[in-house]
Amino acid sequence: DAGITQSPRHKVTETGTPVTLRCHQTENHRYMYWYRQDPGHGLRLIHYSYGVKDTDKGEVSDGYSVSRSKTEDFLLTLESATSSQTSVYFCAISESEGAMAGELFFGEGSRLTVL
Amino acid sequence: GQQLNQSPQSMFIQEGEDVSMNCTSSSIFNTWLWYKQDPGEGPVLLIALYKAGELTSNGRLTAQFGITRKDSFLNISASIPSDVGIYFCAGRNNAGNNRKLIWGLGTSLAVNP
Repeated sequence: DAGITQSPRHKVTETGTPVTLRCHQTENHRYMYWYRQDPGHGLRLIHYSYGVKDTDKGEVSDGYSVSRSKTEDFLLTLESATSSQTSVYFCAISESEGAMAGELFFGEGSRLTVL
Repeated sequence: GQQLNQSPQSMFIQEGEDVSMNCTSSSIFNTWLWYKQDPGEGPVLLIALYKAGELTSNGRLTAQFGITRKDSFLNISASIPSDVGIYFCAGRNNAGNNRKLIWGLGTSLAVNP
């Protein structure tokens, strides 16, 4: 199994509070991704990173920011959490993005509930 | 955003039965991926397909990259209780990369021992 750990695994917070989710990898993979998973929507990309300090927006980036100061860590921040951000968040990593790429390795997920 | 049409949405079968599920797209893909997600876990890659017509096996699992490049199929033979989970397809086109992966909504599989 790929070395990916997410923290916290579960969090309950209140509307308006800031939340940071952490993804840590030990694989030295260049590419890292944050997804959210919701019933009826499947997996949707929030933000991704293609290197240290290199990040870009995904499909559903509004209300989220990310940072990557080290290869192994990718942080997802909700500056002011809303109930619509209640979801399960998955971090994923990939070694490459060439034509034969696509092998994403996922973490175990972080379940966030915003009351 | 764009999503793949994955069917069936759910299946309830008896142990030992074979299972078939598929994904279709209105766009041409050059990569098809099949993942399985166990309860409380992240998705795990089962099979990756990179060539139209390609048929690839992984144990009791067999996946095919449709010749039209707009569909893919996953078959599970002789199902066992540990096959329970949600199976996702994902596809990517020539201009894309992992950031452009399109995901199906999943097929939920339940196996009755």
